[in-house]
Amino acid sequence: AQTVTQSQPEMSVQEAETVTLSCTYDTSENNYYLFWYKQPPSRQMILVIRQEAYKQQNATENRFSVNFQKAAKSFSLKISDSQLGDTAMYFCAFPRGGGSQGNLIFGKGTKLSVKP
Amino acid sequence: ETGVTQSPTHLIKTRGQQVTLRCSSQSGHNTVSWYQQALGQGPQFIFQYYREEENGRGNFPPRFSGLQFPNYSSELNVNALELDDSALYLCASSSGGGAEQFFGPGTRLTVL
Repeated sequence: AQTVTQSQPEMSVQEAETVTLSCTYDTSENNYYLFWYKQPPSRQMILVIRQEAYKQQNATENRFSVNFQKAAKSFSLKISDSQLGDTAMYFCAFPRGGGSQGNLIFGKGTKLSVKP
Repeated sequence: ETGVTQSPTHLIKTRGQQVTLRCSSQSGHNTVSWYQQALGQGPQFIFQYYREEENGRGNFPPRFSGLQFPNYSSELNVNALELDDSALYLCASSSGGGAEQFFGPGTRLTVL
């Protein structure tokens, strides 16, 4: 079965510090994308970063970066220089059936609080 | 470029009633997916529509049905509402060549 596990229900970090959110997944597919989504209190799901499984280089988007370990099926998100606006639920997800366009399987999420 | 929009924002229904939720996809997108997000959980896939045809379905009963129109907007219909149907319903659109689903703000459904 294809699953996504986020083992940290809640985390908090001081403004300007760095925090890492964990995600593990299980799939038998070889080519797929992995995603981190952010859902602020406004509810709108926003894509933070994506990683293509066939690329060994870890994806980076400004203050957000991932540590992708394909063999371990691990996909963690690092947020550097945390800002108050980063406070949100963060979901790890990947497409069922592999590829990039399949329906997404989400983890249960990590609630991140950034404190001033 | 207009993003994904959903209506209504909030909805309250009673058990046994029927409800229709609407989604307008982002310009240029021909694929719409619907997700149910229960409180404190991640979204769960309901179904996907591609060019007006259902293109995949999650583990939801037949009383969850949908439509996609020629302009690629979509409806989610739920019949015989149950208390457990209370959730945030998210719509996401994407294009055939893209690798990202763009989400709408969701419809909060409460079933009493």
